Amino acid sequence: DSGVTQTPKHLITATGQRVTLRCSPRSGDLSVYWYQQSLDQGLQFLIQYYNGEERAKGNILERFSAQQFPDLHSELNLSSLELGDSALYFCASSVGQGNYYEQYFGPGTRLTVT
Amino acid sequence: DQQVKQNSPSLSVQEGRISILNCDYTNSMFDYFLWYKKYPAEGPTFLISISSIKDKNEDGRFTVFLNKSAKHLSLHIVPSQPGDSAVYFCAAPLGTGTASKLTFGTGTRLQVTL
Repeated sequence: DSGVTQTPKHLITATGQRVTLRCSPRSGDLSVYWYQQSLDQGLQFLIQYYNGEERAKGNILERFSAQQFPDLHSELNLSSLELGDSALYFCASSVGQGNYYEQYFGPGTRLTVT
Repeated sequence: DQQVKQNSPSLSVQEGRISILNCDYTNSMFDYFLWYKKYPAEGPTFLISISSIKDKNEDGRFTVFLNKSAKHLSLHIVPSQPGDSAVYFCAAPLGTGTASKLTFGTGTRLQVTL
């Protein structure tokens, strides 16, 4: 158990809808990262927050947004969903905000768009 | 552009033997590398890391070797156990200042047979 929690575990929704994925980092970790893993693909970085502020952005679609709250939990919002958004979404956390801190991953949310 | 490459999608090794998983990278700015293990329906689990100032790091049955001139790293598992059967990802962080993200390889599926 990494200490990172994600809810929900599974989500099935229709095209055009909006969903929110939630992540609670490990106790004491200030950085939160979101990754997407599509079928047979590697993990793709989406976005990083540190102590409530956005720090880095990857190939995140404009339909997607995220935030980190004062209690350090984070939410990833996906809107106008398309079939291609079906994927595993992982949240990770680390104690620091640089390159030398290991990231610890949650169990993921499996999103299926029908 | 795949900056971290794992060219072997799968590897089968007999229990008790050595497993060697390989990873190549193209970006000479990478100065820290991590290996993650992933079981089905779970998030990636941090396994071992290495800084570019070292050429070897050992943790129990797991050893990572780094050859900077060849831009190559490898993970050795000795002896291999059936519980090691999983997908292994190598990853490298890249960022400036307070930003950081992990770039992952596409993974190698290790099967340890009895």
